[in-house]
Amino acid sequence: NAGVTQTPKFQVLKTGQSMTLQCAQDMNHNSMYWYRQDPGMGLRLIYYSASEGTTDKGEVPNGYNVSRLNKREFSLRLESAAPSQTSVYFCASSDTGTAAYEQYFGPGTRLTVT
Amino acid sequence: ILNVEQSPQSLHVQEGDSTNFTCSFPSSNFYALHWYRWETAKSPEALFVMTLNGDEKKKGRISATLNTKEGYSYLYIKGSQPEDSATYLCAFPGGGADGLTFGKGTHLIIQP
Repeated sequence: NAGVTQTPKFQVLKTGQSMTLQCAQDMNHNSMYWYRQDPGMGLRLIYYSASEGTTDKGEVPNGYNVSRLNKREFSLRLESAAPSQTSVYFCASSDTGTAAYEQYFGPGTRLTVT
Repeated sequence: ILNVEQSPQSLHVQEGDSTNFTCSFPSSNFYALHWYRWETAKSPEALFVMTLNGDEKKKGRISATLNTKEGYSYLYIKGSQPEDSATYLCAFPGGGADGLTFGKGTHLIIQP
């Protein structure tokens, strides 16, 4: 059972380039999330998807777009990368979106924008 | 934006000693309080999800208590072992309905 997988593990981009971070879960979870982790900050929610076909903004959505492709996959796109988006990105999933259920995290993508 | 505070920021504990640390959260409109353990180079793993005032949960040597009226939770580790070294995160629903607002964590180092 793979749980939550993310690709790529590492990425270096130049300012202005675009890329998509992929996330997939095999636990049949309804809800999926994207967080970013920066030094001295807690994990901050970028976007979430309560169920297939729905997405909503979190605390720090600017500069990002998401797609809930199907129940398994939730991608995060940076259209024009900026140095401020250098971070570690975590995808997570949970059984439902009621927050009474634990979230399962992927291994993270370390992104550097130069 | 909700305020979830954790203290202390970091903690050095001798192997075999017991320790505890605190998470403070808004006491109004309480729904759930999460604790996660995050080891270096790994991803966060859930320890507990607590939903009831007075709740106490236990997993091995780690336990947690919850006071929703005053807005705090304690995490206790009994007889610390080197493998307990990690950052412990608490999180509270908010800032976007289903998503969690995380504290900055307590970084625990167990010294042999």
